[in-house]
Amino acid sequence: RKEVEQDPGPFNVPEGATVAFNCTYSNSASQSFFWYRQDCRKEPKLLMSVYSSGNEDGRFTAQLNRASQYISLLIRDSKLSDSATYLCVVVKSGSARQLTFGSGTQLTVLP
Amino acid sequence: AAGVIQSPRHLIKEKRETATLKCYPIPRHDTVYWYQQGPGQDPQFLISFYEKMQSDKGSIPDRFSAQQFSDYHSELNMSSLELGDSALYFCASSPITAKNIQYFGAGTRLSVL
Repeated sequence: RKEVEQDPGPFNVPEGATVAFNCTYSNSASQSFFWYRQDCRKEPKLLMSVYSSGNEDGRFTAQLNRASQYISLLIRDSKLSDSATYLCVVVKSGSARQLTFGSGTQLTVLP
Repeated sequence: AAGVIQSPRHLIKEKRETATLKCYPIPRHDTVYWYQQGPGQDPQFLISFYEKMQSDKGSIPDRFSAQQFSDYHSELNMSSLELGDSALYFCASSPITAKNIQYFGAGTRLSVL
C-alpha cells in the first residue's frame, strides 16, 4: 500500500465546473502537506501548502483533516489551463524533508 | 527569478554505461534533493544534501552516488546503467528560511537503450 493514496482519476470536467480531489496518507507522524501540479513531461510545481485550518488561494481551496489523515483540494470555476496532474505530497517528521508523492490525479478541463 | 538548473536536459546512454547529471540550485538554497520519476509513476526520493553533507537517503540504488560541492551544485553519478534506469530525474532545492518548500528543476530525461 502506498503511503499517499489519491483518487486515480482521470477527471474530465467542463470549463467552469467545480472539481474536488481527495488524498489519504498512512503515516500519522507526517508533518507537512502540499498540493503540487505537474504538466505532462514537466517538473512538479508547488500549488499550495495545506493546513488544518484550511487555506484558500483564489479558486483553489485545500483542507487537511489530521484525525482522518485526509487531504483535499477543491478547484472552483475550472479553466482550461488547470488541466494537469495534481500530486498530493506529504513530508514525514524526521525525514529531512523528503517529499512523498501520491500517484497523482489527472484533470482535463474541456472547452 | 533564477530557478533550479539541471543539465543535460536529455541524455541517451546504453546499458552498462555511466551517466552524470548536474544540478545547480537556486542561489542561497542550501539543500538539494534528487528524485526519480519513471514512466507513468510518481517521483521517488533518491537522496538529499544539506550544506554539502548527505542528509537523507531514499530508494537510491548502490550503483548511484551523489555529492554536493562547495558551490552547492550537486551531481548524481549513475554507473552500470540498466534499462529500468530510464526515467526523468528531478533535482529540487529549498532555502534555509522555508525548509519544506522545494523548487524543482526541469529535469533530465535519461533514456537507456
